[in-house]
Amino acid sequence: KAGVTQTPRYLIKTRGQQVTLSCSPISGHRSVSWYQQTPGQGLQFLFEYFSETQRNKGNFPGRFSGRQFSNSRSEMNVSTLELGDSALYLCASSSGTGWAREQYFGPGTRLTVT
Amino acid sequence: AQTVTQSQPEMSVQEAETVTLSCTYDTSESDYYLFWYKQPPSRQMILVIRQEAYKQQNATENRFSVNFQKAAKSFSLKISDSQLGDAAMYFCAYRSEGNAGNMLTFGGGTRLMVKP
Repeated sequence: KAGVTQTPRYLIKTRGQQVTLSCSPISGHRSVSWYQQTPGQGLQFLFEYFSETQRNKGNFPGRFSGRQFSNSRSEMNVSTLELGDSALYLCASSSGTGWAREQYFGPGTRLTVT
Repeated sequence: AQTVTQSQPEMSVQEAETVTLSCTYDTSESDYYLFWYKQPPSRQMILVIRQEAYKQQNATENRFSVNFQKAAKSFSLKISDSQLGDAAMYFCAYRSEGNAGNMLTFGGGTRLMVKP
C-alpha cells in the first residue's frame, strides 16, 4: 500500500495570506489527524476527521480549519497567516476503528511564513 | 487533560550498547495506550512500540522494549544493541481509550545520537 502523502512538501507564504495543505491517507483509512510541530511547542494536535466529520479538535484559533472529502483525503486551511504559524504540519491516517488504531504519519509540509 | 513529559532532551549511546529513554505522563484515566514514535532526520514519524495500559506485560519489538510502570505513570523505552540507524528524535505519546478519537498527546521528544 502507498503511504500517507502530503502536498506540498514546502511552502513559503507572507504574513496575512492564507494557505491550504493537503493530505492523502492510506487507502482504506477513514481517519485523518493533523499535527503542528514547532521547536518551541513541540507536537500539538490540531484536529481529526473521520468519515468527513470532525471528531476531535485541539486548542488552536479559528484561523485553523480543516475538512475531509468522501475519498478520505483531507485539507487544512490557515487563514491570515502569522509568523508563529511557521511549522512542520504532519498528518496521520488510521483505520479509525478497533483498539489498535495505529496511526501512520506522512512526511509533513514545511510552512514558512515571512 | 493529559500531559506527557520527556525529561531528557538529548541522549547519546555508543553503537552496540543499550540506552534507555524516559517518559512520564499524567492522567486520571484507567484505560489508555502509550506509544513510542521515532522521527529520523527525514522527518517521517514511525511507530516503534505501543503498550496497552490494561496489560501488565511489557511490550517488546525486536531490539526495542518498554518498562511500563502504571502506578508510577512511567513508560521508558530501552534500545538494545544500538545501531547508527537508531539516531533520531524519539517521542513518547499518550492516547485515551475513553473516546473514539485518535488524538495523540506527545512529549517534548528526546534526540538520540549514536556514536560509531
